[in-house]
Amino acid sequence: GQQLNQSPQSMFIQEGEDVSMNCTSSSIFNTWLWYKQDPGEGPVLLIALYKAGELTSNGRLTAQFGITRKDSFLNISASIPSDVGIYFCAGFSGGSNYKLTFGKGTLLTVNP
Amino acid sequence: DTAVSQTPKYLVTQMGNDKSIKCEQNLGHDTMYWYKQDSKKFLKIMFSYNNKELIINETVPNRFSPKSPDKAHLNLHINSLELGDSAVYFCASSQDPGPPTDTQYFGPGTRLTVL
Repeated sequence: GQQLNQSPQSMFIQEGEDVSMNCTSSSIFNTWLWYKQDPGEGPVLLIALYKAGELTSNGRLTAQFGITRKDSFLNISASIPSDVGIYFCAGFSGGSNYKLTFGKGTLLTVNP
Repeated sequence: DTAVSQTPKYLVTQMGNDKSIKCEQNLGHDTMYWYKQDSKKFLKIMFSYNNKELIINETVPNRFSPKSPDKAHLNLHINSLELGDSAVYFCASSQDPGPPTDTQYFGPGTRLTVL
């Protein structure tokens, strides 16, 4: 089945630093989504990407849909303590396969 | 207003019992999902319903049975609970199962603990 490799698994950074995480896939995706999960909560959508090469920002967050359609990255600039959480990438292949495949998550810790 | 809600938030029960988790969405979406998140935080799809019709049924024990009485509700019934069923179960919904309106919105989760 389809697999998403998300890296890094965890990051420990200082407040104010920039962060980058990425996902790669063995197959093509038509949609890339980035979610954040706070402890005890469900994942919340951050950014949705629908076209190869698309670069989209949401405040301090920027995500890109890779040209090959097999990868995506998420950048967080000037991190703050409330950025702490687990970030998930997710890919949707479309067609008759309606399944959203999730990466294993990146645990982000921000030291004030 | 809560977009996707689940009850209960916590569920502790004995092995062998039968339990249900309820999910409701007020977004007017046509598609609803159940996911299981294990102790390593890995999220995996279990079921998906579109307009009350089952469209995804992953390799899940038949002890798990989803029921969709209407488009706004997707309940999960679990028979003969086992220790390995302990996890956080998330309900989600989207307008459609495919792009461009396939963005999924998640509920707060139900933490199931089987003793």
